[in-house]
Amino acid sequence: EDKVVQSPLSLVVHEGDTVTLNCSYEVTNFRSLLWYKQEKKAPTFLFMLTSSGIEKKSGRLSSILDKKELFSILNITATQTGDSAIYLCAGNTGTASKLTFGTGTRLQVTL
Amino acid sequence: GAVVSQHPSRVICKSGTSVKIECRSLDFQATTMFWYRQFPKQSLMLMATSNEGSKATYEQGVEKDKFLINHASLTLSTLTVTSAHPEDSSFYICSALLRTVFNYGYTFGSGTRLTVV
Repeated sequence: EDKVVQSPLSLVVHEGDTVTLNCSYEVTNFRSLLWYKQEKKAPTFLFMLTSSGIEKKSGRLSSILDKKELFSILNITATQTGDSAIYLCAGNTGTASKLTFGTGTRLQVTL
Repeated sequence: GAVVSQHPSRVICKSGTSVKIECRSLDFQATTMFWYRQFPKQSLMLMATSNEGSKATYEQGVEKDKFLINHASLTLSTLTVTSAHPEDSSFYICSALLRTVFNYGYTFGSGTRLTVV
């Protein structure tokens, strides 16, 4: 059975801090690892990672995949209150293009 | 960019009635769509994979007769919660798979909050 585990489950930081969110996965016929940000409604796409060791960046957010250790991290530098959200990672099973989501990390950024 | 419209965003229904939720890909064709359920403070749980022109593939533990999925066109999938009960109250989200030569990705609808009273 496919499994994706995220840690920590929740995190409270001060504005300006840097955070690292973790995601480990066991997915059959692994194709890619995706990160999403979910505020009140539907998840919004952040990154899709397919290759090991290649960092993807978007502003203050960056992410990298380690296919040997079956692990990915999402970094957020200089956090802002607008970064408060649930961050989800999902493993993509190539066989049926299904996404298996992790438990999510609830991030709260305080002033 | 790829846009998925989900409707309604919120619905309240009486126990025993059926509710239909629509998921439309507005600017692309989606042969594959997915339906998820999310309980408060929990992650998205895949319920079923909806394939245009064929029967949906349900995940283990999801009742096919309870959650009817129809994907009759390349831009529309519907989820009908039949004979709804309070325990069916949840947040339901659809996702459409965009798959072309140049593009691959998942676009989510805005979700439907179902409350069964």
